[in-house]
Amino acid sequence: DAKTTQPTSMDCAEGRAANLPCNHSTISGNEYVYWYRQIHSQGPQYIIHGLKNNETNEMASLIITEDRKSSTLILPHATLRDTAVYYCIVRVRQAGTALIFGKGTTLSVSS
Amino acid sequence: NAGVTQTPKFQVLKTGQSMTLQCAQDMNHNSMYWYRQDPGMGLRLIYYSASEGTTDKGEVPNGYNVSRLNKREFSLRLESAAPSQTSVYFCASIEDSEYNEQFFGPGTRLTVL
Repeated sequence: DAKTTQPTSMDCAEGRAANLPCNHSTISGNEYVYWYRQIHSQGPQYIIHGLKNNETNEMASLIITEDRKSSTLILPHATLRDTAVYYCIVRVRQAGTALIFGKGTTLSVSS
Repeated sequence: NAGVTQTPKFQVLKTGQSMTLQCAQDMNHNSMYWYRQDPGMGLRLIYYSASEGTTDKGEVPNGYNVSRLNKREFSLRLESAAPSQTSVYFCASIEDSEYNEQFFGPGTRLTVL
C-alpha cells in the first residue's frame, strides 16, 4: 500500500471548516483514498473514501487532486465532537485487504 | 444488529498467564482482523482472516495465535502474556461491497503486569 503523510496535529474553531491534508505521492492507479477517525478510546470509524472524483457524504467531503498525489478531508462545520485522530489510508479495494494505519492527524476543535 | 462485539472490555494479567480475546460480528462479513494500539500510536495489524477457515499474519504476530471459529467469530489468544503486550486490542470486519468499509469493535484494554 502507498505511504501517506499527514500533519501531526491541527486546531480548528468550532463552527469553522476543518481542512485536513494528506500526501500520497506514490499512490497507484487502483488504490483508493480512505479516511477514518478515532475518537478517544473508541474503535476507528469510517468517514469517506474516493478514487479520483471528489466525494461528499453526510459527514464530510473528500477532495482529491487531479494527479491523485494528495487529498483533503473537509469537515464543513466542525463541532467539539469532531475532536479526534484522523487517519488517511491508501489501499486497493480488494476482499481481505486490511487497513494499514499511520499515526494520523490529531484535530482539536475548540469553542 | 450489534455490529462488532468484543469481550472482555478490560483485563489484567500476570506475566506468563494465558487468555483469549473474543470477537464476533453479526454483519455476515467474510474478512475479520485483529489490531493492537499502543499509547500515542496508530493501529498495527496482528492477524487477519480473509474468509472462514483461513488466517494470515499481519505486521506484529509474534506472541499471538488466532482461530476463525466460524464466519461470525474470530478469537485472539495470548499463550504466555508479557508486559510488552499491554495494549488496546481492536477487532474489525470488512463488508464485502463496493464501499469496503471496515467496522471496528469497542476494544479490549489489556494490562500485563
